[in-house]
Amino acid sequence: TQLLEQSPQFLSIQEGENLTVYCNSSSVFSSLQWYRQEPGEGPVLLVTVVTGGEVKKLKRLTFQFGDARKDSSLHITAAQPGDTGLYLCAGEDNAGNMLTFGGGTRLMVKP
Amino acid sequence: DVKVTQSSRYLVKRTGEKVFLECVQDMDHENMFWYRQDPGLGLRLIYFSYDVKMKEKGDIPEGYSVSREKKERFSLILESASTNQTSMYLCASSLDGRTINYGYTFGSGTRLTVV
Repeated sequence: TQLLEQSPQFLSIQEGENLTVYCNSSSVFSSLQWYRQEPGEGPVLLVTVVTGGEVKKLKRLTFQFGDARKDSSLHITAAQPGDTGLYLCAGEDNAGNMLTFGGGTRLMVKP
Repeated sequence: DVKVTQSSRYLVKRTGEKVFLECVQDMDHENMFWYRQDPGLGLRLIYFSYDVKMKEKGDIPEGYSVSREKKERFSLILESASTNQTSMYLCASSLDGRTINYGYTFGSGTRLTVV
């Protein structure tokens, strides 16, 4: 079973601060996805990264896939209270159908 | 707007009861999944299905079964509910071979409490 470890597990910051969340594995994934889950809802896909070294930006969020496709990071610039939620990374198997999820990073951004 | 709908947001059941959790998707997706989500343990796959009447065990199938009689509906069954099955249950679906582009679409979850 491929495992994904996320760090930190919890993060509480003030509005306007920057932060980085990490997703690490000893396994290689064909792609990696990031989801955000708000309280009382299911996870929602934010982005998919496919190529080693790839960087994608979504407004204030920057996602990077490691060169070896074993790890990824999510950087948020000038965090806002609306960024509060559980961030999950998920690695895709080679067949393209199954995802393995990390344990998640719970982010709270205080106004 | 594409949707995965879970029949109940909250359920309270007694130990030993048979519990049915229903999930319906309107996107004509081939793949459907059941996860449970617990603090500190993340999302754990219970069962999944690639096609009608087809099912595969995930990482934690013990105490659960599933049914997929129609493409759009995937049901999770707790044969005899126990308190350690108290959890948030999430249903998801995806297009076959298209996870890389579209990912999984999740329902809003069912929070089950077994007393």
